[in-house]
Amino acid sequence: DTGVSQDPRHKITKRGQNVTFRCDPISEHNRLYWYRQTLGQGPEFLTYFQNEAQLEKSRLLSDRFSAERPKGSFSTLEIQRTEQGDSAMYLCASSPHGGLSAQETQYFGPGTRLLVL
Amino acid sequence: GENVEQHPSTLSVQEGDSAVIKCTYSDSASNYFPWYKQELGKGPQLIIDIRSNVGEKKDQRIAVTLNKTAKHFSLHITETQPEDSAVYFCAASMLALAGNQFYFGTGTSLTVIP
Repeated sequence: DTGVSQDPRHKITKRGQNVTFRCDPISEHNRLYWYRQTLGQGPEFLTYFQNEAQLEKSRLLSDRFSAERPKGSFSTLEIQRTEQGDSAMYLCASSPHGGLSAQETQYFGPGTRLLVL
Repeated sequence: GENVEQHPSTLSVQEGDSAVIKCTYSDSASNYFPWYKQELGKGPQLIIDIRSNVGEKKDQRIAVTLNKTAKHFSLHITETQPEDSAVYFCAASMLALAGNQFYFGTGTSLTVIP
């Protein structure tokens, strides 16, 4: 399978614990995005990387959240001191980069569903 | 920032009938409009997209229309089948060298009744 993969698919944690999610983008896609999706809502942008550089962060990304893409391939999203309000589906997407005229479609992974008790 | 509204939130149609989902956007600078289908427990899957220099695009039973003046775009599914049942999301984006976050609508839950 050459699509976007995410691990784990499900995570249950207690409030106050730290969690880390991993995303592996489609090979050679140099843009990687993180979104959060709560029940009954569309995905909301969190942050995005071009190669290893984190170029944009949403105000939704509080200081408890940190994302990395150290080698420009896979990415991790860490949530520290989790709160019940962090319960959501965390989606990763990737896209190729080629300038204004190139396709910028984002391809989504299956998501990591987080439940904070 | 961009605001995308989507209607209806739920839609039930008989198998074989057509389904139409409508979205409006607020930022006239948006120039790329993808539609995603999301099945339970899965990530969104792109089904069709349209750029602002095109008024309509069709792919088999699925079509999308765009009215830039009115800032709205619609998804049309013809000859619906039970496997079309899912949640559909529209999105708007401004393609730019600096990246393009997608602004999503709130989704439409489509049920196709056999």
